[in-house]
Amino acid sequence: NAGVTQTPKFRILKIGQSMTLQCAQDMNHNYMYWYRQDPGMGLKLIYYSVGAGITDKGEVPNGYNVSRSTTEDFPLRLELAAPSQTSVYFCASTKQGVDEQYFGPGTRLTVT
Amino acid sequence: AQSVAQPEDQVNVAEGNPLTVKCTYSVSGNPYLFWYVQYPNRGLQFLLKYITGDNLVKGSYGFEAEFNKSQTSFPLKKPSALVSDSALYFCAAQRYTGTASKLTFGTGTRLQVTL
Repeated sequence: NAGVTQTPKFRILKIGQSMTLQCAQDMNHNYMYWYRQDPGMGLKLIYYSVGAGITDKGEVPNGYNVSRSTTEDFPLRLELAAPSQTSVYFCASTKQGVDEQYFGPGTRLTVT
Repeated sequence: AQSVAQPEDQVNVAEGNPLTVKCTYSVSGNPYLFWYVQYPNRGLQFLLKYITGDNLVKGSYGFEAEFNKSQTSFPLKKPSALVSDSALYFCAAQRYTGTASKLTFGTGTRLQVTL
């Protein structure tokens, strides 16, 4: 049982490039979330999903896209990377909406 | 809109002393409240939660928190701090809407425990 896994761990992008951050969970959780963590700002919700085929925007969705074709996977797509997207990205999952969330180890992204 | 405030950027405490990390929240209706801990270069780990019932909630590693509805507070406490408790602590709140529920995090408090 690996829990929530994220790849890559680190990435450096040039402005205007695109990439996909991968997230997978093996706990059969319905809900999955993407957050970004900036210093002194806590975590901000980017997108979330309540099940396969269903996604919705969080607080800071601009510049990102998601898809949820399976229960296990919830990739986050960055199109046209900008320096403002330099951050640490965390994926999380939970079985029910009021349960505690399980977090992945994070992806540290730098856009230069 | 819901919000969570952690007014202290850092809390310093000597090992063996009690610790408190402050948290206040603003959530319409009945809140669900959580504490998470983050160690360096790691994801967040769940410590404890308040859903309903007893106002005093006990969690992992000897931590506890007390829900105070009148003060809209949910401070994290531990009777005797350990150096290994040094980490970044996040308070979080949500209002369950019946379908999806979105967690709002505070900005975090760094706990430094020294010998």
